[in-house]
Amino acid sequence: ILNVEQSPQSLHVQEGDSTNFTCSFPSSNFYALHWYRWETAKSPEALFVMTLNGDEKKKGRISATLNTKEGYSYLYIKGSQPEDSATYLCAPGEGSGGGADGLTFGKGTHLIIQP
Amino acid sequence: DGGITQSPKYLFRKEGQNVTLSCEQNLNHDAMYWYRQDPGQGLRLIYYSQIVNDFQKGDIAEGYSVSREKKESFPLTVTSAQKIPTAFYLCASCIRLALGDTQYFGPGTRLTVL
Repeated sequence: ILNVEQSPQSLHVQEGDSTNFTCSFPSSNFYALHWYRWETAKSPEALFVMTLNGDEKKKGRISATLNTKEGYSYLYIKGSQPEDSATYLCAPGEGSGGGADGLTFGKGTHLIIQP
Repeated sequence: DGGITQSPKYLFRKEGQNVTLSCEQNLNHDAMYWYRQDPGQGLRLIYYSQIVNDFQKGDIAEGYSVSREKKESFPLTVTSAQKIPTAFYLCASCIRLALGDTQYFGPGTRLTVL
């Protein structure tokens, strides 16, 4: 089981401000990293899957970067809106690409956007 | 609409009682997973299945059993033998058993131990 750290655990941000948070994971034997958004009373929703060092992905106001050599990924939200309030989960996977090793989920960053 | 359904939404269990959590998907996905979330913890893998009639233990399989008789269905049974804590259970599916593919989640079942 990987040791996955997400920081901060929770974050209060004013509407309109930009924010970012971190996912750290062991860099050895890395295969892929997933980001999910989990809104209260809903199912976790996939945001990004990244596999290559230096990958950058973007979806609207949300973007993510990946550094597999040092073992971290950043998630950025530009111009936060109330609908961005959610818990953001990262899940690295190690191994050869097959699913036998599975994904290991971090505890998440709980983001609250204040109007 | 394609998706994953879980039932019931809330479930209560007395110690010593077997209960079954349902998970159904109509996404035509081969792989299915069960995760448990304990308060203040990340999701932990209980069981996963790559194909019909095949499944593998995850990190916390003790006290649970699964079956995969149909591609669409992956029920999880909490057996009577173990002390399983109150927790939230999520089912997920993926087009195939691969780390680079997105997992799609159901809405979850909250299991309360009385």
